[in-house]
Parts: sequence; C-alpha cells; structure tokens
Amino acid sequence: QITLKESGPTLVKPTQTLTLTCTFSGFSLSTSGVGVGWIRQPPGKALEWLALIYWDDDKRYSPSLKSRLTITKDTSKNQVVLTMTNMDPVDTATYYCAHRPAGGGGAFDIWGQGTMVTVSS
Amino acid sequence: SYVLTQPPSVSVAPGKTARITCGGNNIGSKSVHWYQQKPGQAPVLVIYYDSDRPSGIPERFSGSNSGNTATLTISRVEAGDEADYYCQVWDSSSDLYVFGTGTKVTVL
Repeated sequence: QITLKESGPTLVKPTQTLTLTCTFSGFSLSTSGVGVGWIRQPPGKALEWLALIYWDDDKRYSPSLKSRLTITKDTSKNQVVLTMTNMDPVDTATYYCAHRPAGGGGAFDIWGQGTMVTVSS
Repeated sequence: SYVLTQPPSVSVAPGKTARITCGGNNIGSKSVHWYQQKPGQAPVLVIYYDSDRPSGIPERFSGSNSGNTATLTISRVEAGDEADYYCQVWDSSSDLYVFGTGTKVTVL
C-alpha cells in the first residue's frame, strides 16, 4: 500500500524560504520510471503542478516557478524535499506530494493528504 | 506553455449523465488523466490513459479523447459524485505536467 505524507511549516513570512518534506512508503524511488511530484492548490483555486523528481534523480520544474524551486530526494529515508524561495502571500496554498508510477502516462495515482501553508507577516 | 481549459461548472440531475470537457491543442495526441476532488480532501485519480479506470473506481466513470477535446463522462450520476474534477496531461516532449482549470459538478 502506497502512502505519502507532507510535512513542514504552516506559516511562513514573506521573503522566507519554504521547505516541505514528503515522506512515503510502499514504493521505492529507486525503481525505474517512478517519480514523486509536488502540486499545490490555493484556497478555492485549481491545482498547479510545481515539480517532479524521477528515480534517476532527473528533475522537472514548472517553467513559471523554476527559478524559485528545488526538489531533492533521499532514497534511504524515503523522502522528497521541495524548497521554494522568496515566499509571497500569493503562495498561500495546500501543498500536495503525489506518486507518479512507471508506465502510467504521467498520472499521479496516489496523493498525500496535503499540508496548508500560509504566507503572512 | 500548454493550456487545458475546462468549463467552470456542470449541473446534472441524479441518474442522468454528466459530461466534463477538457480542451487543449491537439490533446488527442496526449494521454489525459482525470481527478475527482471533494471538499477538504486530496484529489483522487478516476481515469488515466484517456479511458482506463484505477481499481475501485465505478464503471460509471469513463473517458474519451480525440482532436482538441477530452471528455470525462459520469453515467447514472449520484449525489456522492458532487465534486471538483480536473484533467491533466503529461507533455512528454517537454516532460512537463499540466492541470486543467477544474470543473465543479453539482448534483441537482
């Protein structure tokens, strides 16, 4: 059974750097084709893909946020970390991590429960 | 960047059929995935590869994709189907992921 869980601060100040951790179980990020992605959702708004890291450490970022994002993995700890610099109130959102299976055509089949992050001074 | 456009809302009576569209340039050449999101919950994958259902998803959910439009169809709609629905594609050429604008389905 695959599970993912996001953790990190619930409140950050403008200009600060946000660091979120996704801790997962039930799969290995060493398996060919597998990835873990981050997706966010501002209150009342649509889902927005942010970043994804593959089993081979290849990384992809949303073009609109690429300069502010870094995604890394620690395979031994079953964790994926997302950092976002220069936080702004518009970055207030629920942040999700999700499992991207091999051969799934780019779908995210299992999601974490999400973690709400508020950006405010 | 690739854009996916969905109608903001769809209303349907119980027992009827709801169709949710997802428009994108030549979307028929891509694999489309659909997610259901109920209030306060994480999204759930209901359709992948245009028309495949993950285990546990009722057969009432089906999908199609051709030309510039993909469609999620919910047959025999139930009150429990009331939710937001999002389409998503993986642009394999750029290796980027895109979500649609979302559609709120209301069961009358």
